[in-house]
Amino acid sequence: AQTVTQSQPEMSVQEAETVTLSCTYDTSESDYYLFWYKQPPSRQMILVIRQEAYKQQNATENRFSVNFQKAAKSFSLKISDSQLGDAAMYFCAYIGSARQLTFGSGTQLTVLP
Amino acid sequence: KAGVTQTPRYLIKTRGQQVTLSCSPISGHRSVSWYQQTPGQGLQFLFEYFSETQRNKGNFPGRFSGRQFSNSRSEMNVSTLELGDSALYLCASSLGTGTNNSPLHFGNGTRLTVT
Repeated sequence: AQTVTQSQPEMSVQEAETVTLSCTYDTSESDYYLFWYKQPPSRQMILVIRQEAYKQQNATENRFSVNFQKAAKSFSLKISDSQLGDAAMYFCAYIGSARQLTFGSGTQLTVLP
Repeated sequence: KAGVTQTPRYLIKTRGQQVTLSCSPISGHRSVSWYQQTPGQGLQFLFEYFSETQRNKGNFPGRFSGRQFSNSRSEMNVSTLELGDSALYLCASSLGTGTNNSPLHFGNGTRLTVT
């Protein structure tokens, strides 16, 4: 079974600075997708960014980018120019042939003004 | 385009009762998945429906069931409620089955409290 590990329960960053959230996963599959979702206090899970495992190029969405290291099974999220609205719980998630999302335990990000 | 709508937002039930939660997907989305979120177990997959058929099921007891209607709306039912069923239940929709090429869009969830 696949597992997703987020080793940082909490992180904080100063507004306008950069922060990196870590995620590792374990799988024997070669074809899969990885995601970062954010969950603000409103509870809605919002897709931040996704990465196809077969693509070597790291995904980027505006201020959000990933560092995908397939051999190391690492998938970190970098948030540049952090904003107060980025404060949320961030979840790393995996989906493979089983077609169901496996989530990590989450990282609570606080943005300090 | 309206997002995923879950009703009700909050629900309080007593042990032994049953409950039905509703989810209306984004227009045009045919796949609906359900997830349970608790502080102890995190986010866990319950099941996925596509074109009125259950395509995938997580590791939950038979007390948890669901269905999908022809308009893609889905309901989840939990019978004989236990205290441990208290959780945030999240529904997500996507264009196709699974999320390999169509990411999940989540609703705001239903907060179920069992007393």
